[in-house]
Amino acid sequence: RKEVEQDPGPFNVPEGATVAFNCTYSNSASQSFFWYRQDCRKEPKLLMSVYSSGNEDGRFTAQLNRASQYISLLIRDSKLSDSATYLCVVIRMNRDDKIIFGKGTRLHILP
Amino acid sequence: DGGITQSPKYLFRKEGQNVTLSCEQNLNHDAMYWYRQDPGQGLRLIYYSQIVNDFQKGDIAEGYSVSREKKESFPLTVTSAQKNPTAFYLCASRPTSTSYTDTQYFGPGTRLTVL
Repeated sequence: RKEVEQDPGPFNVPEGATVAFNCTYSNSASQSFFWYRQDCRKEPKLLMSVYSSGNEDGRFTAQLNRASQYISLLIRDSKLSDSATYLCVVIRMNRDDKIIFGKGTRLHILP
Repeated sequence: DGGITQSPKYLFRKEGQNVTLSCEQNLNHDAMYWYRQDPGQGLRLIYYSQIVNDFQKGDIAEGYSVSREKKESFPLTVTSAQKNPTAFYLCASRPTSTSYTDTQYFGPGTRLTVL
């Protein structure tokens, strides 16, 4: 089983809709969680951190479920500009501080 | 402006030539990383360094070499031993700390094409 797994998509969603996707992780020692956004042929950029209490930033909400070992990203009122690949990142904060990237979920917002 | 710079943005080389990709950061971050990304694929870790004059192999280090003589700089050499070097190369840095909010920040990448 891969340490971090994401549905590769693509998710084709009409503009204005709400879309959500998950990322599962297998190592219960994982301590820090993040969502990144990557546009085509560009570098990944930090979108938001994910806290146990949930994290909201405008139209974006991130949640962490430690019991079931997954994180989620919810996008409300989606815009054309939200089209991108969304990567989840898991960090184990121990001696090696291992950083694991998911392969990403592709999102296409349709006009 | 604080950030990570990579140069050049596009690089073309003939097969069999070594090539060095530049990565510089002025964020005062301790740790630096090199990743490779192939079309439609995820990031794969090549090398990383958590402190000056020290670095470790990542998952796909064969055919690559690095140095970390300065905190700000972490150049990557793609040698002729790398069998399939054409890819998008991303450099990242991260403060080494125990804060759970610290994560990686990426440079704009270098797209290497070997002809």
